[in-house]
Parts: sequence; structure tokens; C-alpha cells
Amino acid sequence: QSVLTQPPSASGTPGQRVTISCSGSSSNIGSNTVNWYQQLPGTAPKLLIYSNNQRPSGVPDRFSGSKSGTSASLAISGLQSEDEADYYCAAWDDSLNGPTFGTGTKVTVL
Amino acid sequence: QVQLQESGPGLVKPSETLSLTCTVSGGSISSYYWSWIRQPPGKGLEWIGYIYYSGSTNYNPSLKSRVTISVDTSKNQFSLKLSSVTAADTAVYYCARGGAVAGIKRPNWFDPWGQGTLVTVSS
Repeated sequence: QSVLTQPPSASGTPGQRVTISCSGSSSNIGSNTVNWYQQLPGTAPKLLIYSNNQRPSGVPDRFSGSKSGTSASLAISGLQSEDEADYYCAAWDDSLNGPTFGTGTKVTVL
Repeated sequence: QVQLQESGPGLVKPSETLSLTCTVSGGSISSYYWSWIRQPPGKGLEWIGYIYYSGSTNYNPSLKSRVTISVDTSKNQFSLKLSSVTAADTAVYYCARGGAVAGIKRPNWFDPWGQGTLVTVSS
């Protein structure tokens, strides 16, 4: 069971800014860093953001991450059609003693 | 560039043991954490467990009694065994490399991932 809560869906038109929230607790986001993964249809997840706000090489700077307290956010600016995908947050959970994933958010480009 | 590839049976009978292998190419399996993560059809991601190249392991408590992860550094492979499977274990199984922050002895993120393999539990 996911202990990180995300909205099921988000949408925007091309060029818009979309923000996805990830709500956790003191045992996960509150005390550990947050990562974000992008899963394009029919493919494996891909690391999008690590350590709250770091982008791996090759990830466009349209994607940005932030964290405050027990919540985190992923922002996609200048939304493009190829950004249509499922997005998952993740963080280490001290109670689980392992990583936990968010419930996932499906982003639709209108 | 490191690549991961899962392999194993796509169909397992209820009560039997699911066995998968992940082959790492383009880099050494040494000095990293290696993990298994699964995704039931149409659902979210669930961490199964991970192994350090030295052999130390950590499993999801909800699966711990049924999971074994092992590593074969000579073959650059690591494996998953999940016993007593039921239909609830039907999922796409991914292997992934765990990235770690210096000084923190656990995987902080997963990158890269294998393409995933669908395992169906059915008689």
C-alpha cells in the first residue's frame, strides 16, 4: 500500500504549467529526500528528479521538483504532448525501512 | 551505459515459486544496490526488495516471508525468488539499479530500470 498520496490526474494544454503534489508524513518525506519517476505508456519508469530537485543528465529543465515539510511537488512548465504519462513520487520510509512510492498521477495534455 | 534485462517464465502456477533473473550489461554489478520492483496491471509501483553487491539484503516487510534476492557477481546478474504465489502476485516485474548518496548505506533512487517482464499467476 502506498503511503505517499498523489492526485489521480492532472491536465493542461500545451505550453501550460502543471503541478503534481505528493503528500507524505514525518517518516518518509518529512525526513528523507524525494524522487520523481515518469512512466510513458507501455514503458518502464524513468528517473525524472532525485534528491528533491536534482535532474539527471538528459532531463529537460522544464521539469522541477521541490519539497516542504511532509509534502513535495513536481512542476512541468511549457507542457508538451510527449509529457503525457504517469508520474510517481517516491521516498525512503523509516517505518517501512525501505522505499515507498506514491499512488501515481496521470498527466493528460489536452 | 548500463542496461538491465529481466528474464524468466511469464506464467507461474498458484502455490509455486516465481523466479526471475536480471542481467546487467555495460557496467559492473559491483558497488551498487540492485532492486526488484513490481507493478500489477493498471496499478502503482511496489518495492519488493534490494541487494547490495556484497550480498546484504533488505525486503519489503509485506513480502519478506516469501522473497529471496541473490547476486552472482561472476555473471553480473541478480535474481528474485517469490514463493507460494497467488493471483495477487500477477504483475510486471522490474529490476533496477539503486543510486545512493555518499555516506548513506541504502538506495536513494532507482536508475536505470529494466524494460520489465509480465508474470501471470494462473493454473
